[in-house]
Amino acid sequence: NAGVTQTPKFRILKIGQSMTLQCAQDMNHNYMYWYRQDPGMGLKLIYYSVGAGITDKGEVPNGYNVSRSTTEDFPLRLELAAPSQTSVYFCASSYAWTNTGELFFGEGSRLTVL
Amino acid sequence: DAKTTQPNSMESNEEEPVHLPCNHSTISGTDYIHWYRQLPSQGPEYVIHGLTSNVNNRMASLAIAEDRKSSTLILHRATLRDAAVYYCILSSFSSGNQFYFGTGTSLTVIP
Repeated sequence: NAGVTQTPKFRILKIGQSMTLQCAQDMNHNYMYWYRQDPGMGLKLIYYSVGAGITDKGEVPNGYNVSRSTTEDFPLRLELAAPSQTSVYFCASSYAWTNTGELFFGEGSRLTVL
Repeated sequence: DAKTTQPNSMESNEEEPVHLPCNHSTISGTDYIHWYRQLPSQGPEYVIHGLTSNVNNRMASLAIAEDRKSSTLILHRATLRDAAVYYCILSSFSSGNQFYFGTGTSLTVIP
């Protein structure tokens, strides 16, 4: 199994550009999440989804959008990139709600906005 | 969000046991305690979780205080591969489907 796959692994954007971070999982998990991690900090939840067609905001959703059209895919869209969005982005998935379900993380996408 | 408090860093000698503490004095009765770890340049990985009773798995043990206001992750024999940041997290019905990661404990394993 590939698990959770994120692309791209690295990206440099100019201020104001837009891009989509891709996330795919092959474990048939209903729950998917996007986190960001700034240097030396813990992870902060951006958005999450409990199934296809259902998304909700996390702790730091401003400047991002998500969609969930299939169980497998959960892309994260940055519309107008700002330097404050320079971070490492992690996608995760779980079979069940986080109380009892193990989160599986991707390897991360490192984004730099200049 | 339910908060946890962990030491910023700890050191351990290789092949010795490691006890990583976590305080969560505001824990509610339905909060689960989770531990994840993050190796350098990787995403976090699940270690263990529990509600009230102590838990063991192949990676570690989780000891939960009787009043549940603190817990301890126990690595029985530290290896160099265990050098990572360890996060203690509470998941709560009140926080919905959300994990709140703090800054964790950075564990250094000395050969």
